[in-house]
Amino acid sequence: AQKITQTQPGMFVQEKEAVTLDCTYDTSDPSYGLFWYKQPSSGEMIFLIYQGSYDQQNATEGRYSLNFQKARKSANLVISASQLGDSAMYFCAMREGTGANNLFFGTGTRLTVIP
Amino acid sequence: DVKVTQSSRYLVKRTGEKVFLECVQDMDHENMFWYRQDPGLGLRLIYFSYDVKMKEKGDIPEGYSVSREKKERFSLILESASTNQTSMYLCASSRESWGFNEKLFFGSGTQLSVL
Repeated sequence: AQKITQTQPGMFVQEKEAVTLDCTYDTSDPSYGLFWYKQPSSGEMIFLIYQGSYDQQNATEGRYSLNFQKARKSANLVISASQLGDSAMYFCAMREGTGANNLFFGTGTRLTVIP
Repeated sequence: DVKVTQSSRYLVKRTGEKVFLECVQDMDHENMFWYRQDPGLGLRLIYFSYDVKMKEKGDIPEGYSVSREKKERFSLILESASTNQTSMYLCASSRESWGFNEKLFFGSGTQLSVL
């Protein structure tokens, strides 16, 4: 079974609007961390936001927030006030507590911001 | 600023050639990783290393080997390149930590084409 599922291969959003990128995860480990990365056309993966499984509040970093619904095993990324520079691939990833230090990644969502 | 440097951004090789992809990090990180990125498949872990001369297989190690003789350098080796190894290769590093919030720092990637 896939550990990370991103069901939206591509998304479009109007500039200045908010957009939600979906991510669901699968683990039986009670301890885990969830990450979102952005990959612009330059290729480098840029860390955006982190949510721990024991965190009580949803993580926020500037215009990025993570809608963490533990019972549903979802960790959706919300980008508010979209900008043209937000056009990129977005990857959801997970680290499990009992595993090694590597991250399991989803297949990504390509976001295009329309002027 | 932290940095993970991959020696080549683009590489073109012939089938059967031995290929070396080099990665250097300047953050004194214990962990280093090689991922392969393919459209629709996301990032998949090839190998990782948690210390000098130590390595562990990831999800898709077949056809690859690695070398870590110094802490800052992690090399991915394709012993005999094949066309199905045409892909984007991403190197990453992280600190050794019991916490779940240790993020990976990535290089800009090497787009390898095997003809």
